[in-house]
Amino acid sequence: ETGVTQSPTHLIKTRGQQVTLRCSSQSGHNTVSWYQQALGQGPQFIFQYYREEENGRGNFPPRFSGLQFPNYSSELNVNALELDDSALYLCASSLDFSVSGENEQYFGPGTRLTVT
Amino acid sequence: RKEVEQDPGPFNVPEGATVAFNCTYSNSASQSFFWYRQDCRKEPKLLMSVYSSGNEDGRFTAQLNRASQYISLLIRDSKLSDSATYLCVADPTGGGNKLTFGTGTQLKVEL
Repeated sequence: ETGVTQSPTHLIKTRGQQVTLRCSSQSGHNTVSWYQQALGQGPQFIFQYYREEENGRGNFPPRFSGLQFPNYSSELNVNALELDDSALYLCASSLDFSVSGENEQYFGPGTRLTVT
Repeated sequence: RKEVEQDPGPFNVPEGATVAFNCTYSNSASQSFFWYRQDCRKEPKLLMSVYSSGNEDGRFTAQLNRASQYISLLIRDSKLSDSATYLCVADPTGGGNKLTFGTGTQLKVEL
């Protein structure tokens, strides 16, 4: 196990609602990245948080937002949910690349979001 | 053109066979690469990192060809437990802050 935890495991929401997903990083990891994985696709990068600030963002609209807390845990917030937001949401934690020189990311089990 | 392209498969092979997957990437600035394994409805798990020309770990060998911009994964003596989807990943920034995944290649190892 990677030590990365996510909650909740599953979630069903209605179009137009808002959702908050949570992630706790592996011990010692200060960087958290979020990915969206639609069925049959590879994970798509949403954004990354490092030292409580956004450190890179993929091609996702502003209604996808996030936070990182001093203990390095993180939240992903999605507003105005659309049917296409139905996917597995994965968070991954990693070490500070500038210190470790390593950029391997370790994934949590994911949150499966269904929008109806 | 996708940034990272893989043959989706499925590759159906008998137990004990050797199987190879190829992956191409479009961003020549990519410095490091990874292979992840993903079981059905589970999270991706890191299989190998590829920083230079290649890497070997037991039955698994990854090779990188920067001139042709492709990465390969070779699995020798395949086991039933190797059945999974294998995701090829590039890091175009070199700093690990935006991993780009392929769609994955599905492997089924059969008796």
